Amino acid sequence: ETGVTQTPRHLVMGMTNKKSLKCEQHLGHNAMYWYKQSAKKPLELMFVYNFKEQTENNSVPSRFSPECPNSSHLFLHLHTLQPEDSALYLCASSPRLAGYTDTQYFGPGTRLTVL
Amino acid sequence: AQKVTQAQTEISVVEKEDVTLDCVYETRDTTYYLFWYKQPPSGELVFLIRRNSFDEQNEISGRYSWNFQKSTSSFNFTITASQVVDSAVYFCALSENNFNKFYFGSGTKLNVKP
Repeated sequence: ETGVTQTPRHLVMGMTNKKSLKCEQHLGHNAMYWYKQSAKKPLELMFVYNFKEQTENNSVPSRFSPECPNSSHLFLHLHTLQPEDSALYLCASSPRLAGYTDTQYFGPGTRLTVL
Repeated sequence: AQKVTQAQTEISVVEKEDVTLDCVYETRDTTYYLFWYKQPPSGELVFLIRRNSFDEQNEISGRYSWNFQKSTSSFNFTITASQVVDSAVYFCALSENNFNKFYFGSGTKLNVKP
């Protein structure tokens, strides 16, 4: 299997639930990213990891908690979300983190609906 | 102000027509990179092209071509002889080397009708 995979592809959860999104990349990359894509808005960068270390958190609420156990896996733990958090969550990876000049390769996304 | 502006929210064309998607960017960096991505209905963003600020040569790849003009801060994307499979949302993006920032435009939805 190649590229960037994400599971689940679709997720419906209540505001009191706890769930996790998983991202896995098979490209040997060292940098991984979480993005949020809401309707009619530009993609919003949420978190950046480089060699498993978090290098950026773009003022994301604490109800989103990322985890990067190794360079190939990235998780986004969700708890007590709000309906406005409903969006497509995209994971990406790049060979390295060098001022974002490297090309990022994206997974198919997880479509999240918060009821 | 937006760093990357894609003024065309949605474009509809008939198959075989040529179509140009506009992208205007704003940066104070002298070294920066521009990207185009395609997002089909399946959701995955597909990388199309990466261009650095020192290379203003236009690029052609099959039916796709890109026109980079620093004088107007534009990086436009043209699809020649469009096909139904080109229907997608197309995103332009900018990465600023010195400021270590990355920005996506809001995307242009292209509908190609048979």
